[in-house]
Amino acid sequence: KAGVTQTPRYLIKTRGQQVTLSCSPISGHRSVSWYQQTPGQGLQFLFEYFSETQRNKGNFPGRFSGRQFSNSRSEMNVSTLELGDSALYLCASSLEGAYSYNEQFFGPGTRLTVL
Amino acid sequence: EDQVTQSPEALRLQEGESSSLNCSYTVSGLRGLFWYRQDPGKGPEFLFTLYSAGEEKEKERLKATLTKKESFLHITAPKPEDSATYLCAVISGGGADGLTFGKGTHLIIQP
Repeated sequence: KAGVTQTPRYLIKTRGQQVTLSCSPISGHRSVSWYQQTPGQGLQFLFEYFSETQRNKGNFPGRFSGRQFSNSRSEMNVSTLELGDSALYLCASSLEGAYSYNEQFFGPGTRLTVL
Repeated sequence: EDQVTQSPEALRLQEGESSSLNCSYTVSGLRGLFWYRQDPGKGPEFLFTLYSAGEEKEKERLKATLTKKESFLHITAPKPEDSATYLCAVISGGGADGLTFGKGTHLIIQP
């Protein structure tokens, strides 16, 4: 069974640009969550999508947004990039999502560098 | 607000030297506690889920336990391939905040 895949694996952008990251969950998983990982803050929850609807959202500015498609694939968008957005962005999928307290399985992440 | 504190931040052991990693948590209504392993440049790899105090789970050289305030990850006779960062995370209440992670314990097993 294939795991969670994320594309691209690496990105370099400049301040003010926008970026779109993609995540394909494990087959059959309907929930996709996004996390930001930095050395200083660790892993922080961005948002969760379930059946194409954003169900939960972490404490991040509106520049961070996402969506989920009917096949459960998800995209995350960051607009007007700032230097502090440099991080590893991780996608995690689970069967039913946070409300069912299912295990979340993570992808390899996208390393975003903002110059 | 849920809080998770892991200790120690870093731990260096000799191969075969058993030890324990600690995860202390403060949540309103624990629904699940998760242990992950993360290797450099990779996403976290799921290890265990614990749901209630007194629960224990084992996998190879790892054993996770849970009390009402903390969880331990016991590593028995570790090998160099056990070197990684071990992350603890909790989910509480309705799960509205997703997983809340600790900062992790960076474990190095020297041959």
